Amino acid sequence: ETGVTQTPRHLVMGMTNKKSLKCEQHLGHNAMYWYKQSAKKPLELMFVYNFKEQTENNSVPSRFSPECPNSSHLFLHLHTLQPEDSALYLCASSQETGGADTQYFGPGTRLTVL
Amino acid sequence: DQQVKQNSPSLSVQEGRISILNCDYTNSMFDYFLWYKKYPAEGPTFLISISSIKDKNEDGRFTVFLNKSAKHLSLHIVPSQPGDSAVYFCAASAGAGNMLTFGGGTRLMVKP
Repeated sequence: ETGVTQTPRHLVMGMTNKKSLKCEQHLGHNAMYWYKQSAKKPLELMFVYNFKEQTENNSVPSRFSPECPNSSHLFLHLHTLQPEDSALYLCASSQETGGADTQYFGPGTRLTVL
Repeated sequence: DQQVKQNSPSLSVQEGRISILNCDYTNSMFDYFLWYKKYPAEGPTFLISISSIKDKNEDGRFTVFLNKSAKHLSLHIVPSQPGDSAVYFCAASAGAGNMLTFGGGTRLMVKP
């Protein structure tokens, strides 16, 4: 498999559930990102990992917990979410961090919080 | 406050004509700009980029123009094709190691 993959593609969860989003990149990149895209809003950067180390946390609530066990895998653990957290969650990777390196995106997970 | 803005949420163009998508930014530290294209149910895909040392970059049917004094960039697609129908995002970064800031996107519809 090539590129950036994300699972699941769709997720419906209650506010008391715990779930995880998974991202895998097959590009040999060193940097991985989580973005959130809410309806009618720009993509918002959530977290950045470079060589498995978190380098950016864009003031994201603690109910979102990222994990990067290696440069190829990135998880987003979700617990006690709110309905306003319903959005498209996109994972991306790049060779290194920084805008000059093209970011390659996965297809996203469409999350609905009931 | 949005630092990158795409003021037109949608644009409709006839096949074969030129599509012009616009993007404005406020942060004078931005020095690298990108355009991404997004189809439904897919993630954004990189289309074309431009560094602030240039004012034009061309790749096939796609050309990006940068006007630093006006803090404005535009994407020209010519000739437009129905397969170009998608949402287009512009993004900007302020130097190596800095993250991308995205605009809200413009939905382009190319009619046959």
